[in-house]
Amino acid sequence: LAKTTQPISMDSYEGQEVNITCSHNNIATNDYITWYQQFPSQGPRFIIQGYKTKVTNEVASLFIPADRKSSTLSLPRVSLSDTAVYYCLVTTSGTYKYIFGTGTRLKVLA
Amino acid sequence: EAQVTQNPRYLITVTGKKLTVTCSQNMNHEYMSWYRQDPGLGLRQIYYSMNVEVTDKGDVPEGYKVSRKEKRNFPLILESPSPNQTSLYFCASSLKENRDTQYFGPGTRLTVL
Repeated sequence: LAKTTQPISMDSYEGQEVNITCSHNNIATNDYITWYQQFPSQGPRFIIQGYKTKVTNEVASLFIPADRKSSTLSLPRVSLSDTAVYYCLVTTSGTYKYIFGTGTRLKVLA
Repeated sequence: EAQVTQNPRYLITVTGKKLTVTCSQNMNHEYMSWYRQDPGLGLRQIYYSMNVEVTDKGDVPEGYKVSRKEKRNFPLILESPSPNQTSLYFCASSLKENRDTQYFGPGTRLTVL
């Protein structure tokens, strides 16, 4: 499983776009990049997954460059309710193990 | 409502007293997994199950047991709990063909004195 590195914490203000970058230098051909969100006192929640280029859903966008050694989760116009921990995972097709790491603690300020 | 439930939500126990944390899902998911979450260490996988009667170790399986006799249930067993197992535990489940989209339970906060 490829190891990921992401910032420990970030602060932002309401209404701003937030970009959280994750580094995964040892990503393999069969690996996907998956992001989860965890609110205080709750279990993590799946946000988005991608393999290459750009993926967008109602919650976020995920940008993956051609070399796939990093990825960026983009949250448009954050609100106070987006305050959470965001986890970047590299998931390998055919395996059942998951490494969540410590995530990025995002704090949105008024 | 589709959900993963865990019981109990909070538990305080003493060293050596066997306990079981139950996990149940109503989504007919094949894959289930247990994690523990500790400050500074993030979420770590304890055990997982690919289907009924099929289980395997995650990163931190020592001191834990699991069983998967039914598709919907995946209990976590601590035969002889120790203080270093004080933690927040999460159960998760997902479909076999969409395994990376895991649905997590609300968590069980365990304190071992």
